Amino acid sequence: AQSVAQPEDQVNVAEGNPLTVKCTYSVSGNPYLFWYVQYPNRGLQFLLKYITGDNLVKGSYGFEAEFNKSQTSFHLKKPSALVSDSALYFCAVRDKGRGSTLGRLYFGRGTQLTVWP
Amino acid sequence: GAVVSQHPSRVICKSGTSVKIECRSLDFQATTMFWYRQFPKQSLMLMATSNEGSKATYEQGVEKDKFLINHASLTLSTLTVTSAHPEDSSFYICSASRSRGRDTGELFFGEGSRLTVL
Repeated sequence: AQSVAQPEDQVNVAEGNPLTVKCTYSVSGNPYLFWYVQYPNRGLQFLLKYITGDNLVKGSYGFEAEFNKSQTSFHLKKPSALVSDSALYFCAVRDKGRGSTLGRLYFGRGTQLTVWP
Repeated sequence: GAVVSQHPSRVICKSGTSVKIECRSLDFQATTMFWYRQFPKQSLMLMATSNEGSKATYEQGVEKDKFLINHASLTLSTLTVTSAHPEDSSFYICSASRSRGRDTGELFFGEGSRLTVL
């Protein structure tokens, strides 16, 4: 079965500094990996995804993630953090569907990012 | 981007009543929708996969008679919490994909529904 792990419950960083939110995965076959962000009492917003190709994926709001097959990691990064980036971040892996049924999305437990001024 | 609308955003009900939550894809057709439940400061737990025109597929441990899912059209799925009890209080989130038959597409999420059962 597919699974993802986010080893850090919380990440704290000063505004303007680079940030990294870690994610490792366990999949059978080619991984379809995603990052989502959630603000309080809101649904999830899609940030970026890795399907194939370039290992460095660029997404919304200046975020990027690097796919590392040998380390089975897909860490989320941003060169310069903003206070408004403070939110809950989820890494996810997509299961392969069957027939016309889409594969399910499995989430990590989430990492709370806090950026202080 | 694709828009998924979820209603109501908040609902408070008495124990024993039933509550219906709607999930609509506003600008695309969604053959498959997913329902998640999220406990405070925890990850999303997949409850069921809703397929248009057929019965939902429930995850292990989710009571299908408790959480009724209907996906009558390509743009609407509903989750009904029957005979709700305080332990059903939670944040329920639906999602849909606009990618028919492809696993590479991202899911688009509704804004979630906060259910409080008194």
